Amino acid sequence: SQQGEEDPQALSIQEGENATMNCSYKTSINNLQWYRQNSGRGLVHLILIRSNEREKHSGRLRVTLDTSKKSSSLLITASRAADTASYFCATVLGSSNTGKLIFGQGTTLQVKP
Amino acid sequence: DGGITQSPKYLFRKEGQNVTLSCEQNLNHDAMYWYRQDPGQGLRLIYYSQIVNDFQKGDIAEGYSVSREKKESFPLTVTSAQKNPTAFYLCASSMYPLEYNEQFFGPGTRLTVL
Repeated sequence: SQQGEEDPQALSIQEGENATMNCSYKTSINNLQWYRQNSGRGLVHLILIRSNEREKHSGRLRVTLDTSKKSSSLLITASRAADTASYFCATVLGSSNTGKLIFGQGTTLQVKP
Repeated sequence: DGGITQSPKYLFRKEGQNVTLSCEQNLNHDAMYWYRQDPGQGLRLIYYSQIVNDFQKGDIAEGYSVSREKKESFPLTVTSAQKNPTAFYLCASSMYPLEYNEQFFGPGTRLTVL
């Protein structure tokens, strides 16, 4: 079964609004990563947050990690139409040295102009 | 340009045929991965390789085979034993230490069985 579950499955907002996506996982992790996928394309890495970190920022992106709740959130501020894509969280298990990623099913974000 | 290339972009296969998907990287990464993505789903790991001439099965390896004869190349063969091969296939690579680095993805190959 998938390690990560994302919520919501789909999100539709107006340009300029903030978008928040959540990811929950089941077992101990080494790190958690967020990726973006435009329709029919490959994945693009956004942020990697390690298990001993609580928050990371990259431009308009903010990721938080709560290991006690086994959850993470991705916040996109001041969204743009170009942010329309699917967003996936992926975890690397705490015991892993292979870099094996376990993906959630993703959140589809639509930003309306 | 540095990156990962996959070819072809679209591939059509008849029932009973084997097909090979190409993945090449010039990032000098040691590890390479193959994933399968079905509509509306996340990615599932098929095979991965941490070093030349070595590879391991992922979560859904049945009906697939790989080789890693060169550091730059990690081709995936979808055999006739794969019962439902129609999907989007993504290749990725990463550098050591693998557990601390992101993966870089190619543009994908969409395989359709006719």
